[in-house]
Amino acid sequence: NAGVTQTPKFQVLKTGQSMTLQCAQDMNHEYMSWYRQDPGMGLRLIHYSVGAGITDQGEVPNGYNVSRSTTEDFPLRLLSAAPSQTSVYFCASSRIGTGGTGELFFGEGSRLTVL
Amino acid sequence: GENVEQHPSTLSVQEGDSAVIKCTYSDSASNYFPWYKQELGKRPQLIIDIRSNVGEKKDQRIAVTLNKTAKHFSLHITETQPEDSAVYFCATYSGGGADGLTFGKGTHLIIQP
Repeated sequence: NAGVTQTPKFQVLKTGQSMTLQCAQDMNHEYMSWYRQDPGMGLRLIHYSVGAGITDQGEVPNGYNVSRSTTEDFPLRLLSAAPSQTSVYFCASSRIGTGGTGELFFGEGSRLTVL
Repeated sequence: GENVEQHPSTLSVQEGDSAVIKCTYSDSASNYFPWYKQELGKRPQLIIDIRSNVGEKKDQRIAVTLNKTAKHFSLHITETQPEDSAVYFCATYSGGGADGLTFGKGTHLIIQP
């Protein structure tokens, strides 16, 4: 199994551009989520999904959209990039339906810079 | 919402000594407390977790203790080794609000040879 796969690993955007971070998992996990990691801030939850067709907001959802059309894929869309969205983004999945009571499996991360 | 405070932000110990990292949380409904380790440039990985009905859990050189009354939990690493050098994150889950973990800001553990 590949686990959780994120693409791209690195991306530079200009302010106002849009892009999609891709996330796929091959473990048949119900729960998927996106976190952002900033220096000295830990990891903060952006959006999550407890199953195909179901998404909800986390702690810092503004400026991001998600969808979950299949169990495997959970893309994160930046609608109009801003310098404040410069960060490392992690996708994570969990076997059970709620994200907080089972091991989270993280992808390798996507480093995004917005100029 | 939940607030998780983690201390210290940096911890330097001699190889072979013990290291202790502490976290406090605000939501008394929190019932799951995992610890993640992140090596430089890598993804976070779960190293140990504890649930609210247990006071202590051990796995070889690492242990986690939980004091629900005081709302704090700690990670203990004994006989530290160079490969223990990493950033460690505590987290909590309460089930209220967003369905996900609330992380502390991390502790950079440095093992001095």
